[in-house]
Amino acid sequence: IAGITQAPTSQILAAGRRMTLRCTQDMRHNAMYWYRQDLGLGLRLIHYSNTAGTTGKGEVPDGYSVSRANTDDFPLTLASAVPSQTSVYFCASSDSSGGDYNEQFFGPGTRLTVL
Amino acid sequence: GQNIDQPTEMTATEGAIVQINCTYQTSGFNGLFWYQQHAGEAPTFLSYNVLDGLEEKGRFSSFLSRSKGYSYLLLKELQMKDSASYLCAVSNSNYQLIWGAGTKLIIKP
Repeated sequence: IAGITQAPTSQILAAGRRMTLRCTQDMRHNAMYWYRQDLGLGLRLIHYSNTAGTTGKGEVPDGYSVSRANTDDFPLTLASAVPSQTSVYFCASSDSSGGDYNEQFFGPGTRLTVL
Repeated sequence: GQNIDQPTEMTATEGAIVQINCTYQTSGFNGLFWYQQHAGEAPTFLSYNVLDGLEEKGRFSSFLSRSKGYSYLLLKELQMKDSASYLCAVSNSNYQLIWGAGTKLIIKP
């Protein structure tokens, strides 16, 4: 693994189904993030984790949950998918231990369609 | 509230220069990032400014004025491969990135 990987690459899901998007990084970054990106809108933060064992809510957390059991993995779960959750989902990580500079590195994204 | 404003779309000619502006209002400021995103791909880092002034990196430069809440990304000697969206993001007081909607840059031959 080099950088951040996400799985699946794309998924079509029936409304009401449960779905987990996977994210794994091998850079030993302490902070990780989940964003959704919709046409005409900027990246919107769903949930974040500043370090293993802690998580926080972002701008649009409703309908999503996350866990951070270890440094490398940060899965995003949709408990009961709805069509408004159709989007492209990006996972990102950063090394926020060095002060102000917190460049984020992105995974390739998961394109999710909820019907 | 917090918001980042940048033009939705710009068009420029191959070989020319283009300036993409970004204005911001955020709760706190810990730096401003520019990212490039090609269609269907992930954003990739271009530049970071935390002090006022110009940062130059090859064909790309980024400028910051903290007092005016303003930044621009300057792209010189435009190439067709520069056709992409350019995202402005500000690190706020919680070190979270607040993102603009992005500027789609179209390069014409």
